[in-house]
Amino acid sequence: KAGVTQTPRYLIKTRGQQVTLSCSPISGHRSVSWYQQTPGQGLQFLFEYFSETQRNKGNFPGRFSGRQFSNSRSEMNVSTLELGDSALYLCASSLRGGADEKLFFGSGTQLSVL
Amino acid sequence: AQSVTQLGSHVSVSEGALVLLRCNYSSSVPPYLFWYVQYPNQGLQLLLKYTSAATLVKGINGFEAEFKKSETSFHLTKPSAHMSDAAEYFCAVTRPFGGLTFGKGTLLTVNP
Repeated sequence: KAGVTQTPRYLIKTRGQQVTLSCSPISGHRSVSWYQQTPGQGLQFLFEYFSETQRNKGNFPGRFSGRQFSNSRSEMNVSTLELGDSALYLCASSLRGGADEKLFFGSGTQLSVL
Repeated sequence: AQSVTQLGSHVSVSEGALVLLRCNYSSSVPPYLFWYVQYPNQGLQLLLKYTSAATLVKGINGFEAEFKKSETSFHLTKPSAHMSDAAEYFCAVTRPFGGLTFGKGTLLTVNP
């Protein structure tokens, strides 16, 4: 069974641009969540999608958005990039998004904003 | 609000020695607790989880953790460290409205 796949692996953007990251969950998993990882703030929850609906959201500005497609694949978008958005963005999937469920993480997309 | 504190951002042990990584949490609801491990340039992998069943939880690769409600702790241990255990370890607690709150992480170094 293939794991969680995130593309691209690395991305370099400049301030003010926008970016879209992609995540393909494990087959059969309907929940996809996104996390931002930085050296200063650590891992922070961005949002979770289940059956194409955003179910939960962390404390991030509206510049951060996402969506989920009918095949459970998810994308996250960051508009008007800032230097502080440089981070490793991790996607995780689970069967139903239950609080007690194991999350399966992808290897992440490393975003650098110049 | 949920929070997780991992004592010691860096722990160094000798191969064969006991590994003890500390985690304290605060939660406004009965918590589910997790330990994840991250190897360089990889995502996170679940080691073990506490979901209100047995307080002593056994995980993969010989790791275990004990949930102590009175101490609000969930420390991770392994009797004998192996070189392959060198990685960053994260403790996490469920958020009331979804997602996980992670600690800042503890980098484990294993010396030969």
